[in-house]
Amino acid sequence: KAGVTQTPRYLIKTRGQQVTLSCSPISGHRSVSWYQQTPGQGLQFLFEYFSETQRNKGNFPGRFSGRQFSNSRSEMNVSTLELGDSALYLCASSFWAGGSGSGNTIYFGEGSWLTVV
Amino acid sequence: AQSVAQPEDQVNVAEGNPLTVKCTYSVSGNPYLFWYVQYPNRGLQFLLKYITGDNLVKGSYGFEAEFNKSQTSFHLKKPSALVSDSALYFCAVREDTDKLIFGTGTRLQVFP
Repeated sequence: KAGVTQTPRYLIKTRGQQVTLSCSPISGHRSVSWYQQTPGQGLQFLFEYFSETQRNKGNFPGRFSGRQFSNSRSEMNVSTLELGDSALYLCASSFWAGGSGSGNTIYFGEGSWLTVV
Repeated sequence: AQSVAQPEDQVNVAEGNPLTVKCTYSVSGNPYLFWYVQYPNRGLQFLLKYITGDNLVKGSYGFEAEFNKSQTSFHLKKPSALVSDSALYFCAVREDTDKLIFGTGTRLQVFP
């Protein structure tokens, strides 16, 4: 079974540009979440999607957005890039069977390394 | 709000010796706790989780974790460390649905 797949793995963008990152969850997983990892701030939750609906959002500016498609694949977009957006962006997925779902294991992809120059 | 703390930035241990990576938590309600490992330039790999039940949780690659409710701790352990265990380890607590709150990470260095 394939794991969480993220593309692209590495990219370099210029300040002011925008970027779109893609995530394909594990087959059968309908819950997808995104995290940002930086040396200074550590791992921070961005947002979470389930059945094409955002059901949770972290404390990030509106420049950060995401969406989920009917096949559970997800994209996140960062507009008007700033130097501080340079980070590893991690996508994660889990099998959500309803209820609290607290027992679900959350699996992460290899991440997309974004460098803003 | 839920939180976890990893009090050690780095843990050094000799190969073959037991290792412990510490994690304490603060939650309202039942804690749902996770350990992940990150190798250089890689994503996070799931090691184990505590949901309910036995306080000793066994996970991947010979790792286990001990849940202690009275001390609000969830320390990661391995009886015999390998050089290949050298990596960054993260403790996390589930706050809501699939939202994880991570600790700051502990770098484990295993010396031959």
